Amino acid sequence: DTAVSQTPKYLVTQMGNDKSIKCEQNLGHDTMYWYKQDSKKFLKIMFSYNNKELIINETVPNRFSPKSPDKAHLNLHINSLELGDSAVYFCASSQDLLREGAYEQYFGPGTRLTVT
Amino acid sequence: DQQVKQNSPSLSVQEGRISILNCDYTNSMFDYFLWYKKYPAEGPTFLISISSIKDKNEDGRFTVFLNKSAKHLSLHIVPSQPGDSAVYFCAARAIMDTGRRALTFGSGTRLQVQP
Repeated sequence: DTAVSQTPKYLVTQMGNDKSIKCEQNLGHDTMYWYKQDSKKFLKIMFSYNNKELIINETVPNRFSPKSPDKAHLNLHINSLELGDSAVYFCASSQDLLREGAYEQYFGPGTRLTVT
Repeated sequence: DQQVKQNSPSLSVQEGRISILNCDYTNSMFDYFLWYKKYPAEGPTFLISISSIKDKNEDGRFTVFLNKSAKHLSLHIVPSQPGDSAVYFCAARAIMDTGRRALTFGSGTRLQVQP
């Protein structure tokens, strides 16, 4: 039983193309996220989203856009890909961000994007 | 400006000995701290957390210590096992203006436990 799944696992594409990465969670969580792991290995939040609110990290270019067809899915669309977009992208989910207590986020296996 | 720092990119210990992974932070508004473990080609998995109002939390072989005055936390693994070899990420949680909570991650420490 995969809690958070991402497809594809690897994605190689050329500059200027538009691509999407899919994410699905079967944990019944309210909130989903996209992270980018850069060349320095930091995990940086790109978006957090529940059915009410999209929170965008202001440093994320508007070429990146999350699309959520339903609560269990948060797909990442990237337009006009650039060389600097090459990274590993992780999807994650958690219970409602407003809930008290130490919530943990559950991560997908990652998608390694290579832009040539 | 990295608010969560893991200054040791790697650590090697012998099986059976203690592993100590360190993490420093700058934001005094963090209310929870979490450790994640990551194997190659997999996503990070939650390991253990600690509230900012505590100074220690223990779960089996894993203990996290928090020193608020020093803005420092550490993860102790005793005894270390070869299966513990992975990258360990420190993360800290803050409440944003929206009332929602967000995690900030460090850059990770690669632990290698030698048999």
